[in-house]
Amino acid sequence: NAGVMQNPRHLVRRRGQEARLRCSPMKGHSHVYWYRQLPEEGLKFMVYLQKENIIDESGMPKERFSAEFPKEGPSILRIQQVVRGDSAAYFCASSPGTAGDEQYFGPGTRLTVT
Amino acid sequence: AQSVTQLDSQVPVFEEAPVELRCNYSSSVSVYLFWYVQYPNQGLQLLLKYLSGSTLVKGINGFEAEFNKSQTSFHLRKPSVHISDTAEYFCAVSRNSGGSNYKLTFGKGTLLTVNP
Repeated sequence: NAGVMQNPRHLVRRRGQEARLRCSPMKGHSHVYWYRQLPEEGLKFMVYLQKENIIDESGMPKERFSAEFPKEGPSILRIQQVVRGDSAAYFCASSPGTAGDEQYFGPGTRLTVT
Repeated sequence: AQSVTQLDSQVPVFEEAPVELRCNYSSSVSVYLFWYVQYPNQGLQLLLKYLSGSTLVKGINGFEAEFNKSQTSFHLRKPSVHISDTAEYFCAVSRNSGGSNYKLTFGKGTLLTVNP
């Protein structure tokens, strides 16, 4: 059973470009979470999605950031017009359910904005 | 809202020595508690979790943690560390009921460095 897959592992973008981060949850998991880890910080919750639904996006910046989890295919975290402050590691996690269930984390995408 | 404080940003120890990584949390509601480990350039792996029941929780790789409700602590311990335990360790909490119980709140992490 493959773990949570994220790609790309490393992404370099110039300021103003768009970044697309992909996450394929573990087989049988229908709950996906995105977290951001800034340098020397813990992970911060961004968004929780189920298939075709955004359940909680309270941790997402109000502008430039969006997330989706379509019926088919991976979950996508999209950052438009990136700025240097977006440089971080973005982790995706998945779980079979919610309360108390272990969230399985992917290896992360390290975004560098130049 | 919940918050997590990991009191030590770095903990250097020698191989085969015992180690304790400290974690305190703040919450107005009951919580679940977790410890995750992050090896360099990898994702987070769950070490152990406290949901209910016995306050002493045993996890993988010989780690254990004790939930102390009165002190709002969940310290991680290992009696004898190995070089391979060198990693970043994160304490996390979530609500154990009601809405937002999926939302993990993480501490800033403790870098454990095991020296020969």
